[in-house]
Amino acid sequence: EAQVTQNPRYLITVTGKKLTVTCSQNMNHEYMSWYRQDPGLGLRQIYYSMNVEVTDKGDVPEGYKVSRKEKRNFPLILESPSPNQTSLYFCASSFGTEREQYFGPGTRLTVT
Amino acid sequence: AQSVTQLGSHVSVSEGALVLLRCNYSSSVPPYLFWYVQYPNQGLQLLLKYTSAATLVKGINGFEAEFKKSETSFHLTKPSAHMSDAAEYFCAVVDTGGFKTIFGAGTRLFVKA
Repeated sequence: EAQVTQNPRYLITVTGKKLTVTCSQNMNHEYMSWYRQDPGLGLRQIYYSMNVEVTDKGDVPEGYKVSRKEKRNFPLILESPSPNQTSLYFCASSFGTEREQYFGPGTRLTVT
Repeated sequence: AQSVTQLGSHVSVSEGALVLLRCNYSSSVPPYLFWYVQYPNQGLQLLLKYTSAATLVKGINGFEAEFKKSETSFHLTKPSAHMSDAAEYFCAVVDTGGFKTIFGAGTRLFVKA
């Protein structure tokens, strides 16, 4: 089944404790992206990647890191999480020319 | 900078009534335009997309949207609402030649019996 998977689905952590949210797709998509969803703000793009080793900042990159060492994986790293990063996070992927994105199920992160 | 405006954070319609969800974008060059739907506790799924082939785009579940360049709009419609349409709807744009995606704030659709 074609899909985007994220792990973990739920995470509660404390301020400053480094964490990684994994994202993997099995559709051989070139493009992958991370978003955060907050009430009243819709989805805001954090980082995106056009292919392996090629990444760029979205609208809200501060406090986040990404890497794209393999085509199928695009982990999101929070090196020192803060409470304002409490949010619902989505990973998405697409073929580069199509632009339509396939979304993962989301990761709900709470930072206390 | 590109922006997307969805008019109305909440829209309520009766079952069987017309659904109209509004989306305006700011780009002077027509971008790629999308509508996504999010059901409770789920990720987003594509409803339809505009990529310059036709101004009236048909999507899944009976939804359609019309691209109007002069109005920089891409409103979503459905002739007859069903209870199962209750969800949050997001309009999104991607600049042609780029990959940066801008989403609107979303419109939550309520359908009354």
